[in-house]
Amino acid sequence: GQNIDQPTEMTATEGAIVQINCTYQTSGFNGLFWYQQHAGEAPTFLSYNVLDGLEEKGRFSSFLSRSKGYSYLLLKELQMKDSASYLCAVLEGDYKLSFGAGTTVTVRA
Amino acid sequence: GAVVSQHPSRVICKSGTSVKIECRSLDFQATTMFWYRQFPKQSLMLMATSNEGSKATYEQGVEKDKFLINHASLTLSTLTVTSAHPEDSSFYICSARGETNSYEQYFGPGTRLTVT
Repeated sequence: GQNIDQPTEMTATEGAIVQINCTYQTSGFNGLFWYQQHAGEAPTFLSYNVLDGLEEKGRFSSFLSRSKGYSYLLLKELQMKDSASYLCAVLEGDYKLSFGAGTTVTVRA
Repeated sequence: GAVVSQHPSRVICKSGTSVKIECRSLDFQATTMFWYRQFPKQSLMLMATSNEGSKATYEQGVEKDKFLINHASLTLSTLTVTSAHPEDSSFYICSARGETNSYEQYFGPGTRLTVT
């Protein structure tokens, strides 16, 4: 089974940086996804890490340390539209995605 | 990019009735489709995995006779909630995976089910 932990809520101001941490315990680890989800909508893909290190994609970066069971999503130059829930999801085996409860990020002016 | 649609987006039904939710991959062939359920402020929970032309694989604790899944073609999967009860009220989201060498799942917009 999975044990995926991420903070419940985070608040930051427009233009700032926020880092959302995710820790996990799993068997059959085959990568970690980050998704963004606005209320009442489907999750949208942000990143996928399967090797250790940092992956940068525009204002968003994702980091993975497999030995520590740890990942983070870094959001830079925050915009109001970045207010959403951010989901950490671990891929176990070939297809099973197990999600964390999500971190609600609120961006304030 | 890959697009997945769901229909209906919202449905209200009476207790004891059945509801069918459709999930379609619009611009790719989905070899595998997934059904998730999400309660308010909670995580997405995988209910079942279906491959075209074969029986769905249900996660532990999910009643296969209550949540009927059909994956009749490479672009369509349906979830039927049978004899719905108020506790089945939830946000149901499907996802689809195309190429067998890709792990990315494309999510549909979700269906809000309310059972009265």
